[in-house]
Amino acid sequence: VQLLESGGGLVQPGGSLRLSCAASGFTFSNYAMSWVRQAPGKGLEWVSGIIGSGVDAHYAGSAKGRFTISRDNSKNTLSLQMSGLRAEDTALYYCAKGSFSGSFNELDSWGQGTLVTVSS
Amino acid sequence: QSVLTQPPSVSAAPGQKVTVSCSGSSSNIGNNYVSWYQQVPGTAPKLLIYENNKRPSGIPDRFSGSKSGTSATLGITGLQTGDEADYYCASWDSSLSDVFGGGTKLTVL
Repeated sequence: VQLLESGGGLVQPGGSLRLSCAASGFTFSNYAMSWVRQAPGKGLEWVSGIIGSGVDAHYAGSAKGRFTISRDNSKNTLSLQMSGLRAEDTALYYCAKGSFSGSFNELDSWGQGTLVTVSS
Repeated sequence: QSVLTQPPSVSAAPGQKVTVSCSGSSSNIGNNYVSWYQQVPGTAPKLLIYENNKRPSGIPDRFSGSKSGTSATLGITGLQTGDEADYYCASWDSSLSDVFGGGTKLTVL
């Protein structure tokens, strides 16, 4: 299993950013995927998850209405579209694989993360 | 303020046993499974325990998990210096989101 995040960078408050995660080494469509973030020096925070088929997704309260998770099972790619970014969204964003199609709680593989910095 | 409550730190000597507690509510731990993750500083988290007490392949049986009511506990026996890391509990919540504890830093003295 390999998960490779990309798309992070410096963005101004109120701006937008799209993160991507390229997955390989497993049948992507069979597994739920999640985004988990970690602010500098802080703990883990689950951001959003999407089931294997892509028809159902869930969000943390902090992400609801601003972030949209999606997946392209034909390209083995997970995405997170982020808008209305705030300073408190600054974090390392991990892509993580669930242990089965509907699992957001058992994240058995993680990428190395992509850093998002929100600052003027 | 994390939804799940963990002690900020625990410590023990090499070879000893340590436990890490995780307290939640009926909205999460009380009615859902608990997972535990280990994060060595500078690296991605690793799944240690799932479904309260199951270990993924490759995780030694020195690591164990248990749940009672709205609390869960991670146990580590035969402590090694390589076990020094941050440990996080997690559970699904009735708010339809996964929630993590604030993390516990383990120091092997």
